[in-house]
Amino acid sequence: DTAVSQTPKYLVTQMGNDKSIKCEQNLGHDTMYWYKQDSKKFLKIMFSYNNKELIINETVPNRFSPKSPDKAHLNLHINSLELGDSAVYFCASSPSLTGQKYEQYFGPGTRLTVT
Amino acid sequence: AQSVTQLGSHVSVSEGALVLLRCNYSSSVPPYLFWYVQYPNQGLQLLLKYTTGATLVKGINGFEAEFKKSETSFHLTKPSAHMSDAAEYFCAVGYTGGGNKLTFGTGTQLKVEL
Repeated sequence: DTAVSQTPKYLVTQMGNDKSIKCEQNLGHDTMYWYKQDSKKFLKIMFSYNNKELIINETVPNRFSPKSPDKAHLNLHINSLELGDSAVYFCASSPSLTGQKYEQYFGPGTRLTVT
Repeated sequence: AQSVTQLGSHVSVSEGALVLLRCNYSSSVPPYLFWYVQYPNQGLQLLLKYTTGATLVKGINGFEAEFKKSETSFHLTKPSAHMSDAAEYFCAVGYTGGGNKLTFGTGTQLKVEL
């Protein structure tokens, strides 16, 4: 059973297009995240949602828009794709925002290539 | 603000040798600390975590790490390296009240040689 899944795994598209990446977790967690990993493998948080509410919104271009239809899903829509958006995007989830259950569980990643 | 420094972007050890991956953090509040491993073309897998309590924490695959507040360190060790340990390792720091935001280090690529 896949805990955190993402689709698609690979995404190749042209500049200016709009694309979406989907994420689902079956762990019953309350909190979900999007991370971007660049070509040097540096990981940076983009967004986090807790029970469908936006908690963290880092300085990400507003071409990126997350949507959480329910607490098991967090999708990422990207408008007007640019070359610099090429990266691996990871979805993650964690049990909650409080207490000591801070560990985050990551999906397999979506490799986005913009040409 | 929090930060993580991983000394050595590449570490090479012989199979059977001690693995030591260094992580130093900066945090103005008590930190939560994590080590993750990333195998090629895969997501990150949690190796171990420190939140409170015992400062020596054991994780999966024989890894352990010790939280040393005085040194602001959380180094990862394994007594005997195995070929399957070759991967990228990330140290991360978070803190209570931080919205569960994790700040990651830049990673250390571990190479295991015969």
